[in-house]
Amino acid sequence: GAVVSQHPSRVICKSGTSVKIECRSLDFQATTMFWYRQFPKQSLMLMATSNEGSKATYEQGVEKDKFLINHASLTLSTLTVTSAHPEDSSFYICSASRGAQPQHFGDGTRLSIL
Amino acid sequence: KNEVEQSPQNLTAQEGEFITINCSYSVGISALHWLQQHPGGGIVSLFMLSSGKKKHGRLIATINIQEKHSSLHITASHPRDSAVYICAVIADKLIFGTGTRLQVFP
Repeated sequence: GAVVSQHPSRVICKSGTSVKIECRSLDFQATTMFWYRQFPKQSLMLMATSNEGSKATYEQGVEKDKFLINHASLTLSTLTVTSAHPEDSSFYICSASRGAQPQHFGDGTRLSIL
Repeated sequence: KNEVEQSPQNLTAQEGEFITINCSYSVGISALHWLQQHPGGGIVSLFMLSSGKKKHGRLIATINIQEKHSSLHITASHPRDSAVYICAVIADKLIFGTGTRLQVFP
């Protein structure tokens, strides 16, 4: 089946640093990639949708200057959490799809800001 | 009220039991996903369905579009089935249920 690779799987860093998370579709060209955030024992919440070559569409309440999304190619999207703070600590997960095909999820990134 | 409701929230079972997880939704959808999230957090898509029934191994998913309801069944449950099962509907975007935490004991 389709494989989506997310890296890193876990990151711990100091408050104020920026963290980049990569999401790659390994065996298909993803026209759309999605970024989700999940707090403990809660449902996934969509942060933004990105289409290759165009600006990401952010959900209400998600700061676009805080969470920078780049979808430069059909196989790679990145999420950069800028000037991270402890409240940004969460589980971030990406997914990728091609056209109307099902979304395929990455394994997620657990971000801990000290 | 959430647009996607799952029940039960938590479920424990003995190995071998037949398990049913229910999902009800209140919005118009084009399809519905059943997802499995393991303790490490990774998510696997089990099914995407828009009508009828699908079967894969010991897993069966059904959907009734008129009643806005879907069920996920696990036959002959096994401890390795222990995970969080999430129903997600495709409306204008993917809307997730809060998940059902399943624990299967040997």
